[in-house]
Amino acid sequence: ILNVEQSPQSLHVQEGDSTNFTCSFPSSNFYALHWYRWETAKSPEALFVMTLNGDEKKKGRISATLNTKEGYSYLYIKGSQPEDSATYLCAFMGYSGGGADGLTFGKGTHLIIQP
Amino acid sequence: DSGVTQTPKHLITATGQRVTLRCSPRSGDLSVYWYQQSLDQGLQFLIQYYNGEERAKGNILERFSAQQFPDLHSELNLSSLELGDSALYFCASTWGDRGNLLFFGEGSRLTVL
Repeated sequence: ILNVEQSPQSLHVQEGDSTNFTCSFPSSNFYALHWYRWETAKSPEALFVMTLNGDEKKKGRISATLNTKEGYSYLYIKGSQPEDSATYLCAFMGYSGGGADGLTFGKGTHLIIQP
Repeated sequence: DSGVTQTPKHLITATGQRVTLRCSPRSGDLSVYWYQQSLDQGLQFLIQYYNGEERAKGNILERFSAQQFPDLHSELNLSSLELGDSALYFCASTWGDRGNLLFFGEGSRLTVL
């Protein structure tokens, strides 16, 4: 069973502040790491896919970094806005002899932006 | 709107019954993933199909089965249902067989009474 851990489980941030959270995943047999944003009563929405150690991706005020050797990824949100309130999921895809495995999700970081 | 369509949106049934959940992927996508989200659990990977063939398997129970048809839609069959099978079942699609970002449907909420 793959272990994909996200921390913290929940986070309260003041509007305008910047924040970041962590995804930890197995450092062996890495294939890809995904980030998704999941708003209440909606379905998960894709943010980034990262495949190379040292990858950095950016979309507006949200960015992510990847360290495959130590098995972690950070998601950063700059200047948080109320609309950033959501659960942020990371997902790990490993690689076995038969090809890429399925995508294993962490339980998410629930982010609440307080006006 | 992600372009992924799941039916039905809601389903209530009794223990011991069998149900079929349907997923139509985005136009052009060849890969379909199925996930289960139970209360207080994250998204649990069930199974992936790519262009009609099973590509990866997660913690899918033997009572559950899936297939992807030539028109690329997929069905998840759940049989001998138990109370614990009550969950939100998501389908997601992507064009490749590995690594690409997934596009999720709105989910099918199954309630087993």
